[in-house]
Amino acid sequence: AQSVTQLGSHVSVSEGALVLLRCNYSSSVPPYLFWYVQYPNQGLQLLLKYTTGATLVKGINGFEAEFKKSETSFHLTKPSAHMSDAAEYFCAVLTGGGNKLTFGTGTQLKVEL
Amino acid sequence: GAGVSQSPRYKVAKRGQDVALRCDPISGHVSLFWYQQALGQGPEFLTYFQNEAQLDKSGLPSDRFFAERPEGSVSTLKIQRTQQEDSAVYLCASSPSPAGEIRYGYTFGSGTRLTVV
Repeated sequence: AQSVTQLGSHVSVSEGALVLLRCNYSSSVPPYLFWYVQYPNQGLQLLLKYTTGATLVKGINGFEAEFKKSETSFHLTKPSAHMSDAAEYFCAVLTGGGNKLTFGTGTQLKVEL
Repeated sequence: GAGVSQSPRYKVAKRGQDVALRCDPISGHVSLFWYQQALGQGPEFLTYFQNEAQLDKSGLPSDRFFAERPEGSVSTLKIQRTQQEDSAVYLCASSPSPAGEIRYGYTFGSGTRLTVV
């Protein structure tokens, strides 16, 4: 079965510092991978996705992620954190023949002055 | 509409009460999904519709949960005889693509927060 593991349920960074949120996946087939962001009392917003092709994927709000097959990872990064980046971030893999997303347990990002 | 709309935003139900949660997907979107998000957890898949056909209901936790999309647009998730463990945020998502063609991704609504007391 396909699954994702997010290391670190809480990550705290200083404003302007590098953001690194970790995601590892388990999949027996080439995975389709996603990162979503959730602000308080809101739904999920797609940040970026990997399907095929270029392994470095750029998303909205300056985020990017790199698909590394050898490491089964899809870590999310942003060079410089902003206060508005404080939110919960979910990594997900598409499973079930393309009709369901399996999510990790989420990482709460806190940005401090 | 411009996005996926869910109503009500908040629902408090007494244990044993029936509830109905509504989802208005983006106009023209073929696929519609329901997810359940418990406090502190990631969303978990409940069910999937392609137009009016419910093609996957493997995630529905019990026969108290029922979903429909009779005309291929608006969907309703119904929970009968609610229990405290049903307390969660219920998210709806839609996509212009049928399952297996994910190039557009999914657009999620803001969810309905159900609290069973």
